Amino acid sequence: SAVISQKPSRDICQRGTSLTIQCQVDSQVTMMFWYRQQPGQSLTLIATANQGSEATYESGFVIDKFPISRPNLTFSTLTVSNMSPEDSSIYLCSVRAELAVSETQYFGPGTRLLVL
Amino acid sequence: DQQVKQNSPSLSVQEGRISILNCDYTNSMFDYFLWYKKYPAEGPTFLISISSIKDKNEDGRFTVFLNKSAKHLSLHIVPSQPGDSAVYFCAASESNFGNEKLTFGTGTRLTIIP
Repeated sequence: SAVISQKPSRDICQRGTSLTIQCQVDSQVTMMFWYRQQPGQSLTLIATANQGSEATYESGFVIDKFPISRPNLTFSTLTVSNMSPEDSSIYLCSVRAELAVSETQYFGPGTRLLVL
Repeated sequence: DQQVKQNSPSLSVQEGRISILNCDYTNSMFDYFLWYKKYPAEGPTFLISISSIKDKNEDGRFTVFLNKSAKHLSLHIVPSQPGDSAVYFCAASESNFGNEKLTFGTGTRLTIIP
């Protein structure tokens, strides 16, 4: 499976500010995803990061709030804009396995965000 | 609407015994199912998966069973070990429809008692 790293691993931010989270994969992957896990909740897909085009957002998530970049096949960023305490979550990137016929996704270690 | 449900938020099992984690789903379009394990401060780790064309998949100590008519799957861990203590998530996707999205359950915290 691919090795996935995220930066930062955690941060404490003031409301109204923005934070950009980076996701780096050690091999080229076609599909990259961004998820959120709010406290006590399940993982929820925010968007699919498409290389060379705009991300595809899930219902309830918009580009102005969560802009995503995917400049190449190994890297993506997610920005959490104009943060409020409700944005306090773990943010995870994932990639789809390239070699398998299955839909298995592998996850990065996550970025733990606390908004004050 | 919670399409994937894990109704047991926690489970305690004696070391060496069998752990059985359950998951129910409502979306009949789901055709691929996965189990992930998550330790605190780490991302979910893929454990095992099953396609809807099968009813059982085994990998070492881990076996996943799928009952499509009941829209139910379960993960069996035997024998259970202390390192298995973690939160377990089941997830599902509509792979045959080209939908890459994974829908997760809310997780079950498994504690293995030495």
